Amino acid sequence: DADVTQTPRNRITKTGKRIMLECSQTKGHDRMYWYRQDPGLGLRLIYYSFDVKDINKGEISDGYSVSRQAQAKFSLSLESAIPNQTALYFCATSVPTGGRETQYFGPGTRLLVL
Amino acid sequence: DQQVKQNSPSLSVQEGRISILNCDYTNSMFDYFLWYKKYPAEGPTFLISISSIKDKNEDGRFTVFLNKSAKHLSLHIVPSQPGDSAVYFCAASPINQGAQKLVFGQGTRLTINP
Repeated sequence: DADVTQTPRNRITKTGKRIMLECSQTKGHDRMYWYRQDPGLGLRLIYYSFDVKDINKGEISDGYSVSRQAQAKFSLSLESAIPNQTALYFCATSVPTGGRETQYFGPGTRLLVL
Repeated sequence: DQQVKQNSPSLSVQEGRISILNCDYTNSMFDYFLWYKKYPAEGPTFLISISSIKDKNEDGRFTVFLNKSAKHLSLHIVPSQPGDSAVYFCAASPINQGAQKLVFGQGTRLTINP
C-alpha cells in the first residue's frame, strides 16, 4: 500500500468552482507539504504544515487554502478555480533526520480548470 | 528568477552508456543538494543527495558530483538501464533549513534507448 495517497488522481472543473484535493499518509510524519508542478517550472511550494496546529504559506499560496485535519491528513482547496491553476499537484511528507530531510511524495493529482 | 536550473529539458542515452544530468544554481547559501526521479503517473522519489562538505557521493550506479566554485552539480548513471528512463529533478536548500526551503529545478527527461 502507498504511504502517501492523493485523491482524486484526476479532476476536471470549471472556472469559479471550489474544489478540494486530499492527501493522506501512513508514514507517521508530522510535516506535510503541497506542491504544484507546471511544465518547465519544476515543483513550487504552495503550503506546508509542521503539525496539526502549524500551517505556513509557501512560495505561491494565493488562491489556495489548506486544512490539516489530523497528523495523517492535509487538504488543499482552491477557493475559486481559475484556468492558470491547471497543473499537477503533489502532496509530500517529511521527517527531519540529523538536520536533513527527505521528502516522500504522493502520486499526484492532475487538475484541469476549464 | 530561477535559482536552480536544469538547462537540458531532455536527454537520450544508449543502454549501457553513461548518463550525465546537469544542474546549476545561483544561491551561494545552498549547501544541501538532492536528486529526485519521477516516473509517469507517480510522485518524485528520492534518489541521492550530497552536502557541500563533499564533492562526490556514490550509491551503486548513481554518483552525484558537486562543484561549489562553479555552482554546478551533476548526476552520473553508469551503466544506464531502460528502467532509468524518467524525469530527474535536482533540488537545493540552504544550510540547516528544512524541506520547506527546497528549490527545485525544472527537470530533465532521460530516455534510455535499447
